[in-house]
Amino acid sequence: DIQMTQSPSSLSASVGDRVTISCRASQFISTSLAWYQQKPGKAPKLLLFAASRLEIGVPSRFSGSGSGTDFALTISSLQPEDFATYYCQQYYSTPYTFGQGTKLEIK
Amino acid sequence: QVQLQESGPGLVKPSQTLSLTCTVSGGSISSTGYYWSWVRQYPGKGLEWIGHIYYSGSTSYNPSLKSRVSISVDTSQNQFSLKLTSVTAADTAVYYCARVDATEAANDRWGQGTLVTVSS
Repeated sequence: DIQMTQSPSSLSASVGDRVTISCRASQFISTSLAWYQQKPGKAPKLLLFAASRLEIGVPSRFSGSGSGTDFALTISSLQPEDFATYYCQQYYSTPYTFGQGTKLEIK
Repeated sequence: QVQLQESGPGLVKPSQTLSLTCTVSGGSISSTGYYWSWVRQYPGKGLEWIGHIYYSGSTSYNPSLKSRVSISVDTSQNQFSLKLTSVTAADTAVYYCARVDATEAANDRWGQGTLVTVSS
């Protein structure tokens, strides 16, 4: 199985900050990577796919980068509604696997 | 707007079979551009892909569950279902059904999730 490792596991930031979350795959996955946002008690919500393509309706302050094994999710200017847990997922090969999550908290 | 809704028992006894159904509304499960998947989330928050199915019945499963899991589809009811046999407490989780884009296999629509507890 491909292991997905996110860093950091948790992050404290303020409204207006720029934050970056990293995701590393244990082997090559091209750009077959998605990012999800999850709020307590809710299902994950797709933010980006193909590493950098924004899902329809997702604000442009979210962006993704990377290919191969190293990826990043950047939020350019944090808004109050962005405080949540973020997951990466590879879909290059089955079994599709998720990172362990990064909890973004208000400083 | 496609919506998905999980249904099934919230409590299952150890060694029994967990059975869940996902009802799709606002779109056809027979759409050629999508797969339909099950994902679970443990109480400690980790997410695990269980498997997916195409409307034709073609399936792919997580090898860690392969001997216990089956996913089926009922196009006439616009539903797909999950069965997991011989459950233990380790199968306690929130179970989500989701739609998967067939080109980029990201889960673009999710059900709200249903908590299944395995306990006697």
